[in-house]
Amino acid sequence: EPEVTQTPSHQVTQMGQEVILRCVPISNHLYFYWYRQILGQKVEFLVSFYNNEISEKSEIFDDQFSVERPDGSNFTLKIRSTKLEDSAMYFCASSGNELAGGVTDTQYFGPGTRLTVL
Amino acid sequence: TQLLEQSPQFLSIQEGENLTVYCNSSSVFSSLQWYRQEPGEGPVLLVTVVTGGEVKKLKRLTFQFGDARKDSSLHITAAQPGDTGLYLCAGALISNNDMRFGAGTRLTVKP
Repeated sequence: EPEVTQTPSHQVTQMGQEVILRCVPISNHLYFYWYRQILGQKVEFLVSFYNNEISEKSEIFDDQFSVERPDGSNFTLKIRSTKLEDSAMYFCASSGNELAGGVTDTQYFGPGTRLTVL
Repeated sequence: TQLLEQSPQFLSIQEGENLTVYCNSSSVFSSLQWYRQEPGEGPVLLVTVVTGGEVKKLKRLTFQFGDARKDSSLHITAAQPGDTGLYLCAGALISNNDMRFGAGTRLTVKP
């Protein structure tokens, strides 16, 4: 069964460093998302991406964040200058199977990347 | 304020008992998903409900979407220790289908 994959599973970085989190969405999906979950807290929406551009972003997704789909399979989240409060699990999700008419009602999540900022 | 309110926040029951978890909002959603999340892992989809009043069953789990598509419930019959986990509801906004999550219900089923 197709699934969303994410790398790395765990990233440790120093405050102020740039990090890139990688995701491979489910093939033929059209919509891509990033969420974060601070330890013990709820899953928070960061950004949605469709047709090679951001379609929606939350107030968390400030100028330090960017997303990119550099090729036909990867979807990345970049944090330019990490802060201590960026430490969290970051989840990628995808939806909208092109072969099923692109219906977007169900999002499938990856296993997450645990980002630790020291 | 949270867009989606889940209750209870914590639930600890004995094996064999029944339970219901609620997900409520004042907003209308185009669809609503229930996920289960294990510690350190991503949310795993259990079900998607789309139609107001819809009821879906997944073995011992029964999911219901409210008639007005503002709320949902998850009922587990004869809970088992393997049901232990964090249950999340997430609603898709009508405006753009972006999802918003509830804070979750942490269920513990004791043998």
